[in-house]
Amino acid sequence: AQSVTQPDARVTVSEGASLQLRCKYSYSGTPYLFWYVQYPRQGLQLLLKYYSGDPVVQGVNGFEAEFIKSNSSFHLRKASVHWSDSAVYFCAVSSSNMGYKLTFGTGTSLLVDP
Amino acid sequence: GGIITQTPKFLIGQEGQKLTLKCQQNFNHDTMYWYRQDSGKGLRLIYYSITENDLQKGDLSEGYDASREKKSSFSLTVTSAQKNEMAVFLCASSIWGAETLYFGSGTRLTVL
Repeated sequence: AQSVTQPDARVTVSEGASLQLRCKYSYSGTPYLFWYVQYPRQGLQLLLKYYSGDPVVQGVNGFEAEFIKSNSSFHLRKASVHWSDSAVYFCAVSSSNMGYKLTFGTGTSLLVDP
Repeated sequence: GGIITQTPKFLIGQEGQKLTLKCQQNFNHDTMYWYRQDSGKGLRLIYYSITENDLQKGDLSEGYDASREKKSSFSLTVTSAQKNEMAVFLCASSIWGAETLYFGSGTRLTVL
């Protein structure tokens, strides 16, 4: 079985500060890792994804994430947040062994103080 | 680009009522999904469909039926609405495999 843990339900940071949102996962087979963002009253949008290769992947709007296999982590980072980054962020995993079905974490609600 | 359209945006029903949610996509994607989003619980997969006329149960299929009438549309039926299933229902589509999911903006279900 595969699972995703996002330990922080809510995170508040000041505008201009750096950000890390945590994600840990378990899987069988080859993992495919994703971060999605949900703005108020909208569906989810892909921020970035990791399939293989360079463990640091770049996404939209200055976001990046690092795949650390030894730690089973895929934390999301941003060097300097903007108030418009306030949203809910979901980490997700799929794997070949699970028929590529996506399993989502419970999400982290980010509030950026202007 | 494409779009996923979910109708209705808000659905209010009575306990025990049968309710249907609809989803249309113009990406020409093979695979479509229905997820339920509860506050603090993330997204849970209800049903998915790999191609037209295919249906696969997800982790939360009990109490729901689904129908993939054609490649572009995927419907979800709540067979007997209960108050504890008030949530936002999200439809998504993708090319089959570990590809990006594209989501609609959701249907918010309220059960009176």
